[in-house]
Amino acid sequence: GNSVTQMEGPVTLSEEAFLTINCTYTATGYPSLFWYVQYPGEGLQLLLKATKADDKGSNKGFEATYRKETTSFHLEKGSVQVSDSAVYFCALSESGNTPLVFGKGTRLSVIA
Amino acid sequence: DVKVTQSSRYLVKRTGEKVFLECVQDMDHENMFWYRQDPGLGLRLIYFSYDVKMKEKGDIPEGYSVSREKKERFSLILESASTNQTSMYLCASSPVSGGRGFYEQYFGPGTRLTVT
Repeated sequence: GNSVTQMEGPVTLSEEAFLTINCTYTATGYPSLFWYVQYPGEGLQLLLKATKADDKGSNKGFEATYRKETTSFHLEKGSVQVSDSAVYFCALSESGNTPLVFGKGTRLSVIA
Repeated sequence: DVKVTQSSRYLVKRTGEKVFLECVQDMDHENMFWYRQDPGLGLRLIYFSYDVKMKEKGDIPEGYSVSREKKERFSLILESASTNQTSMYLCASSPVSGGRGFYEQYFGPGTRLTVT
């Protein structure tokens, strides 16, 4: 079946450091890929997405590129802020109306 | 803005009680979902619904049931709550997506349920 594996946290970084959160997937077809973010005390919200190979999703300074050859969708940000502290979830959707499959989440803490 | 609301942010129930968690969305979405979120386990899908009166089991349906009598409302029911159902419960909704179009789910703020 489909699955998503993301690096375990927690990840602790100093403000302005470079962030990478690794995500790899297993899917039988050609899924769409997503990063969701959960700020403390809130539900999840979509951060960025990519629907086909080599697409780059970007939002709020975060980027991720859909790499079919390595089945990866790593999340990156050049300079993190304290306000980026949250839990980040990688997810995939095999086709339009199948439920999302989520990774286990990576907690990021950014310290000033 | 899409809004998904959940009836309670925090809930404390006793073992054996019947528990209802309510979720309402205001964007006329066809699809609705219930997840539970536990440390180290991420999000696990309990049930989902593609339409009124329709339901599908997710990965962990045991001990739960659902009801969708109206399009905007999706209820999760714990028939007889147990301590291992202490968790954060998240509801989500999404529109029908055609073909391989992206498929964004909109989440509620969650209900933290404690069963004692």
